[in-house]
Amino acid sequence: QQQVKQSPQSLIVQKGGISIINCAYENTAFDYFPWYQQFPGKGPALLIAIRPDVSEKKEGRFTISFNKSAKQFSLHIMDSQPGDSATYFCAAGSGGSEKLVFGKGTKLTVNP
Amino acid sequence: DTEVTQTPKHLVMGMTNKKSLKCEQHMGHRAMYWYKQKAKKPPELMFVYSYEKLSINESVPSRFSPECPNSSLLNLHLHALQPEDSALYLCASSLKDKYTDTQYFGPGTRLTVL
Repeated sequence: QQQVKQSPQSLIVQKGGISIINCAYENTAFDYFPWYQQFPGKGPALLIAIRPDVSEKKEGRFTISFNKSAKQFSLHIMDSQPGDSATYFCAAGSGGSEKLVFGKGTKLTVNP
Repeated sequence: DTEVTQTPKHLVMGMTNKKSLKCEQHMGHRAMYWYKQKAKKPPELMFVYSYEKLSINESVPSRFSPECPNSSLLNLHLHALQPEDSALYLCASSLKDKYTDTQYFGPGTRLTVL
């Protein structure tokens, strides 16, 4: 019940295309859903996060869509660029807990 | 300033050595974390300090010893490590408000145990 299932494991997109990464969870106590971007040899950097009181959050080219009834959330990267090539981790947490449950990650490659 | 700093960037140590990793933040965050990350895997939580007290130990072997000297500093003391402990060690911090709050990660220390 503590798992967050992330798919796909890897994704190849052409420059200018849309990248979509999906995550699903079981624990209904989760109320915080961040996405992290990690470049090789670097620490994860917070990209965007959402709470279940909204169904969508947009920051620049990055959008989180959240479906509470389906217990799913997804990251959309519009106009994908080669500089977006990185590993993306979704995560989930619940109020008062210091633990984040991470998905297994998606390696995104954006071809020029 | 949303920066967590970690030193050293790289560390190579033998199995009999004693070394320490250091983490620092000046964001006024009251929770600090140590994670271990193996290649192509998500970060794996090791320890959490909340208000300078150890609140979570994820059953980490005693060869890893955390220390939180003050609210801005976090150390990880290493002793008698095994080659399988080679990994990227990440520090993170968060504000620790009433919600599940954002964790900010440092750049990590790449540890190699020979």
